[in-house]
Amino acid sequence: EAGVVQSPRYKIIEKKQPVAFWCNPISGHNTLYWYLQNLGQGPELLIRYENEEAVDDSQLPKDRFSAERLKGVDSTLKIQPAELGDSAVYLCASSPGQGGSYEQYFGPGTRLTVT
Amino acid sequence: TQLLEQSPQFLSIQEGENLTVYCNSSSVFSSLQWYRQEPGEGPVLLVTVVTGGEVKKLKRLTFQFGDARKDSSLHITAAQPGDTGLYLCAGDRGDSNYQLIWGAGTKLIIKP
Repeated sequence: EAGVVQSPRYKIIEKKQPVAFWCNPISGHNTLYWYLQNLGQGPELLIRYENEEAVDDSQLPKDRFSAERLKGVDSTLKIQPAELGDSAVYLCASSPGQGGSYEQYFGPGTRLTVT
Repeated sequence: TQLLEQSPQFLSIQEGENLTVYCNSSSVFSSLQWYRQEPGEGPVLLVTVVTGGEVKKLKRLTFQFGDARKDSSLHITAAQPGDTGLYLCAGDRGDSNYQLIWGAGTKLIIKP
């Protein structure tokens, strides 16, 4: 079974530029999460999807961040414009949801550096 | 507010030594998960504990869930360099929203 796929793995951009991250969850997983992780810290939830619906986006900085999960499968997270403080690893995870377990399966993450 | 406190934040020991890391909370969790994250990778699930007082073993790793389901520990016997990584605990409060509460992690380095 293929795991969670994320791309790109690394991205370096100048501040004020836009950037987008892509995630393909495990097949059949209804719940998809985007997290931000700073070095040596735990993941911080940005947004959670149940199928195509964003059910928790309270921690998403909506002035510059946006996300979508068309057709309830792949998802894209966008930042526009990026700021220096956005430098971090962006993790995507999926879980069965809808009566399944809370266990989450993570992709390798995208390391963003904003210069 | 950090609902899950992990300690120590950082631990560096020699190969062959034993160690215990902790995950504590004042809140009750329906279950608690332990993940290990290696540099450049996402967290990987090691174990889920569900029942108060439960003990699970994974080779040299022993996980325990507190009787009151507020805390958990991870004990590693005869640590090896391959155990190096960031150990994260995450709890679910059983509110059916499939959202985990994450600790900040313990960074473990095992020196050869």
